[in-house]
Amino acid sequence: KNQVEQSPQSLIILEGKNCTLQCNYTVSPFSNLRWYKQDTGRGPVSLTIMTFSENTKSNGRYTATLDADTKQSSLHITASQLSDSASYICVVSAKGNNRLAFGKGNQVVVIP
Amino acid sequence: GAVVSQHPSRVICKSGTSVKIECRSLDFQATTMFWYRQFPKQSLMLMATSNEGSKATYEQGVEKDKFLINHASLTLSTLTVTSAHPEDSSFYICSASRSGSAVTGELFFGEGSRLTVL
Repeated sequence: KNQVEQSPQSLIILEGKNCTLQCNYTVSPFSNLRWYKQDTGRGPVSLTIMTFSENTKSNGRYTATLDADTKQSSLHITASQLSDSASYICVVSAKGNNRLAFGKGNQVVVIP
Repeated sequence: GAVVSQHPSRVICKSGTSVKIECRSLDFQATTMFWYRQFPKQSLMLMATSNEGSKATYEQGVEKDKFLINHASLTLSTLTVTSAHPEDSSFYICSASRSGSAVTGELFFGEGSRLTVL
């Protein structure tokens, strides 16, 4: 079973609407959690990185939340734009090893 | 602008040939770089950790003779897919961080290289 599970797998939203993507993880002990945006055929680009003590972090219209107790994170996209169409990948790292656990991504399609 | 650059972005080759993919850190020295493989709608899978001046560390199940990694300088790592076969067709991505660790600090990814083996 993957250590990082993302939902929904795919999502279609109207331009201008908001959406929230979920990431649940089992990685332990927790070090940090990152959200990346990956456009089709491109490498991932960092949106946010959060450590244990951080509950929320924003990057423009993207706001990530973290609940380290329940091991859940969300990424909220506000006022979506067509350019937000991409896969959003949740990546979690554990303390004590140099390894990352990748989710499969939330595929978001924004339509006009 | 890009912090980690990857080349080529797309390559098509015949079965049995070898293909080299380059990964460069543009504004910092990367003692460690990471190579990933990604299938459609799947997670990035770590293939190997490239260490400057020493042998790469391969993940379990990754053939080191098939996927040759050379990290000859602090800004360049190369992945060579030897004797490529259609099943090697995939999206290959490299990454690097200023800290040298994948876990701490920001991790920068290259633009990816789409390999298609005919």
